[in-house]
Formats: sequence, C-alpha cells, structure tokens
Amino acid sequence: DGGITQSPKYLFRKEGQNVTLSCEQNLNHDAMYWYRQDPGQGLRLIYYSQIVNDFQKGDIAEGYSVSREKKESFPLTVTSAQKNPTAFYLCASSIGRGSPLHFGNGTRLTVT
Amino acid sequence: QQPVQSPQAVILREGEDAVINCSSSKALYSVHWYRQKHGEAPVFLMILLKGGEQKGHEKISASFNEKKQQSSLYLTASQLSYSGTYFCGTERGGGADGLTFGKGTHLIIQP
Repeated sequence: DGGITQSPKYLFRKEGQNVTLSCEQNLNHDAMYWYRQDPGQGLRLIYYSQIVNDFQKGDIAEGYSVSREKKESFPLTVTSAQKNPTAFYLCASSIGRGSPLHFGNGTRLTVT
Repeated sequence: QQPVQSPQAVILREGEDAVINCSSSKALYSVHWYRQKHGEAPVFLMILLKGGEQKGHEKISASFNEKKQQSSLYLTASQLSYSGTYFCGTERGGGADGLTFGKGTHLIIQP
C-alpha cells in the first residue's frame, strides 16, 4: 500500500539536543511538507519542498532545518535553537500545487 | 499568512446544519478543506481551484468566492461522525508557496 510514514510516533529529548524526525513516502509525490501543530494554533508550515534538492521556508522555519536528497524522504531536524520544540509534527506529501495533501500519522516530540 | 476561520467552535444536534467560513487577505490559487479527529492525521475533504466553484462530498459541500477570497464549507443534516476539527488551507496565487492552514473550527455533534 502506498502511503507516508513518520517515525517514531513519540520522541523524548533533553533540552539542548538536536533531534531528527523521519518522513518517508512511496506515493511518488514531488511535493513534501512539514507542519507543527499546537493546541489552538492549527497547522503551521515549517518547510516545504516542491522538488528534490530544493526546499523553501514556511511561516515558522526558525530553529528547524530540512534536506531533500531523495524524492521519497524529507527529514526534519529540530535544533537546539528552537525555543519551544515540544509539539505534534505532521509530514505531508502531494503531487504538487493544487493537489490534495496526504498526511503521515505524526510524531509527538517532547523536550524537557 | 494564515487564513482566518470562523467560527472557532460549533455545537450542534444531530441532523442540524453548519457553515464554516474561511477568508484570506491575499489572492488565492486554491482552497483545501480537511477534517481531523482527535489524535489522528487530517483527512482531505475537497479542494476548490476556481472562483465560484462548488464541490460536494456526501452531505458536505463547499464554495469559493474568488472576488472576496472566501470559502465556505457546508455540512447538512449533520451526523455524529462529522465531529472533529475542520481546517481550511490556502495556496496563494502568483507562485508556489506551500499550503497554509487556518486555526481550525471545532465541531461537536450531539445525539
């Protein structure tokens, strides 16, 4: 079955450590996205990539980094510079602009 | 810039109708609608690509007023399964800049 996989489901880290969230899709989609979800804030766009080896900052990119070396993979690194990293992170993919997003099941990150 | 959704929350009895609105200050290329159940990923409902376009999905439909940069989601004869948080997402015209979501509308359907 085609789909989008995020791992792990739950992640715990100490403050000051970088952490990388995995996102893999086998839908052959060109576009991939990272969103952060906090209560009452909706889904806020962190980074997106329309094609391999290219990505753009979203609305809240500070303290995050991404890479898009392969079409099927779009890992997100939460750096120690991110002041409030505890959140629910969702990865999504689509064929491209104007197409529906398919979401992964998310990773809940807790930093203490 | 996030689109603005209203209302923030709605409580209905089963069988009643609801309207959720979404507006943007920028010219839009598309409007998406998604529903999210607690603890789950958002699920795609529909996408509107042209001004004046209306789409339907069972008893859920949506419209897009391009001149006003507004979209509305209509839920008729609501069912218990319609409960959840509804998000509109917008793509701006003039270039590819990702899909930006509103803060969501919480819909509670009571028996």
